[in-house]
Amino acid sequence: QKEVEQDPGPLSVPEGAIVSLNCTYSNSAFQYFMWYRQYSRKGPELLMYTYSSGNKEDGRFTAQVDKSSKYISLFIRDSQPSDSATYLCAMIYAGGTSYGKLTFGQGTILTVHP
Amino acid sequence: SQTIHQWPATLVQPVGSPLSLECTVEGTSNPNLYWYRQAAGRGLQLLFYSVGIGQISSEVPQNLSASRPQDRQFILSSKKLLLSDSGFYLCAWSEGEGEQYFGPGTRLTVT
Repeated sequence: QKEVEQDPGPLSVPEGAIVSLNCTYSNSAFQYFMWYRQYSRKGPELLMYTYSSGNKEDGRFTAQVDKSSKYISLFIRDSQPSDSATYLCAMIYAGGTSYGKLTFGQGTILTVHP
Repeated sequence: SQTIHQWPATLVQPVGSPLSLECTVEGTSNPNLYWYRQAAGRGLQLLFYSVGIGQISSEVPQNLSASRPQDRQFILSSKKLLLSDSGFYLCAWSEGEGEQYFGPGTRLTVT
């Protein structure tokens, strides 16, 4: 069993739709949770990060973490064609080290149609 | 603000040739630095990380090596490339053990 499982998609939605992207994890030691957006042939761009359970909102993006269920989500409201990309969840189990080893999900390819 | 640079952006090299990829970070001091490889259709694999000048830790044994000659410079090298070294190489930085920020990447094709 992989430490982080991400719905692989691909996901295709019409412009303006609400998008839900999800990851589950098995290691309760994960403490930092991130979502990255990666356009084709580009480096991943950090979208959201959170250190605790609950919701964090930034513009059209909301990151949700439920540590009791070991489940994280990213919601995109009013999706735009420019949101078409691969979305990666990532996690770090921290403490006791001086660096954070990122564990990534497999990525979900999202296409938003005009 | 912080900026991360990688070069070259694209590289085509024959099997057996040497490799040198460079990464530099601006706007921060003593960052943690990371090298990842992303193979086509696969996830990101951590290759090396560094928490300070001259300090390199390897995650995956292979024919690649890394060096950190300056605080904000990270270099990925190989003496002899293999076909299996082809991929998208990404450098990243972080402050401590938190979120990481990625560079634009170098696409390497070994022929």
